[in-house]
Amino acid sequence: AQRVTQPEKLLSVFKGAPVELKCNYSYSGSPELFWYVQYSRQRLQLLLRHISRESIKGFTADLNKGETSFHLKKPFAQEEDSAMYYCALTGTGFQKLVFGTGTRLLVSP
Amino acid sequence: KAGVTQTPRYLIKTRGQQVTLSCSPISGHRSVSWYQQTPGQGLQFLFEYFSETQRNKGNFPGRFSGRQFSNSRSEMNVSTLELGDSALYLCASSWTGENTEAFFGQGTRLTVV
Repeated sequence: AQRVTQPEKLLSVFKGAPVELKCNYSYSGSPELFWYVQYSRQRLQLLLRHISRESIKGFTADLNKGETSFHLKKPFAQEEDSAMYYCALTGTGFQKLVFGTGTRLLVSP
Repeated sequence: KAGVTQTPRYLIKTRGQQVTLSCSPISGHRSVSWYQQTPGQGLQFLFEYFSETQRNKGNFPGRFSGRQFSNSRSEMNVSTLELGDSALYLCASSWTGENTEAFFGQGTRLTVV
């Protein structure tokens, strides 16, 4: 079964603090992992995907196949990072994203 | 370049009615997928279309159906509406759907009363 687990509904940090949003997955093959972000009143948008290995807005995520995790990290949080973050996976072939339940990140000044 | 456009943005329907939602993908994108977003269940995959063919379907009852036209525009239909169908319905488009980036629309907020 395909499943994505985001254990934290809410993560509250102060500006400048490190951030780690947790994501664990269950998939029998070789999934592709994504992080999507939804800022207030904006549409869901791709933040990063594991195959590109990019750092977007200071965020990085490393796929750990042994621990089946894809945690999102940022060394110094900014207030504009406050948003809803969704971890998602897809398998090979057509577009079917399996989403986690999301983590709301609140960055306070 | 215009993004994914969903119409209408808001809908209020009565139980038992049916509803049709529309999605216009980004120009050139041939894959359109639909998701239901609710506070309780989160984002759940409904179905995906590519070149007018449904390639995959999620675990939703047959009351939920969709189609895609030759210009890649897509519609989804929900018949015999139930209160539990109240949700935000999101459409996403991508070039081929095969592990390519999905671009999401703003969604249609459906309220069933």
